[in-house]
Amino acid sequence: GAVVSQHPSRVICKSGTSVKIECRSLDFQATTMFWYRQFPKKSLMLMATSNEGSKATYEQGVEKDKFLINHASLTLSTLTVTSAHPEDSSFYICSANSPPNEQYFGPGTRLTVT
Amino acid sequence: DAKTTQPTSMDCAEGRAANLPCNHSTISGNEYVYWYRQIHSQGPQYIIHGLKNNETNEMASLIITEDRKSSTLILPHATLRDTAVYYCIVRFSNTGNQFYFGTGTSLTVIP
Repeated sequence: GAVVSQHPSRVICKSGTSVKIECRSLDFQATTMFWYRQFPKKSLMLMATSNEGSKATYEQGVEKDKFLINHASLTLSTLTVTSAHPEDSSFYICSANSPPNEQYFGPGTRLTVT
Repeated sequence: DAKTTQPTSMDCAEGRAANLPCNHSTISGNEYVYWYRQIHSQGPQYIIHGLKNNETNEMASLIITEDRKSSTLILPHATLRDTAVYYCIVRFSNTGNQFYFGTGTSLTVIP
């Protein structure tokens, strides 16, 4: 099946710094990718929809200036957590649509802010 | 997208069939039923999806009731590696539509 990768798989950063997470569709082109966040023992929460060549669409309550999304190509979307704080520590997961109806998820990125 | 309700947790003996129910009573006519699972600290894995007919693939079978208000995911011979959280999601067929995850069912396969 289709493969989606994320980089890095885990990252530790200091409070106040920014960190970028990459999401790539390896064997298909994805005009739309999605970013989720998952806290321990909780379900995935959709953060935003990333559209190639246009601005991302954010879910209610998600700060677009804090979580910067760039979808510059059909195989790459990036999520930048700006001025990270300990409460931003979470498991971040991306997904990409593979036509016609399937959506494939990346392996996730574990962010720890100290 | 329609909401779904699933039992919080279930146990299944290894080698037996695991039947995971899902209620989606407000599903609309052109919404599909998708099943994903998530093993601890990994991304969700696609299992199967369907519209109104029963579906089967190498991983599982999906049984959708005639009124489409509920469905059951069947893992025919559960193994220890099937221990995971299983999510039932409904969404429109348009590939641009996002998934909204519920709480899922935590399945534990017991040796």
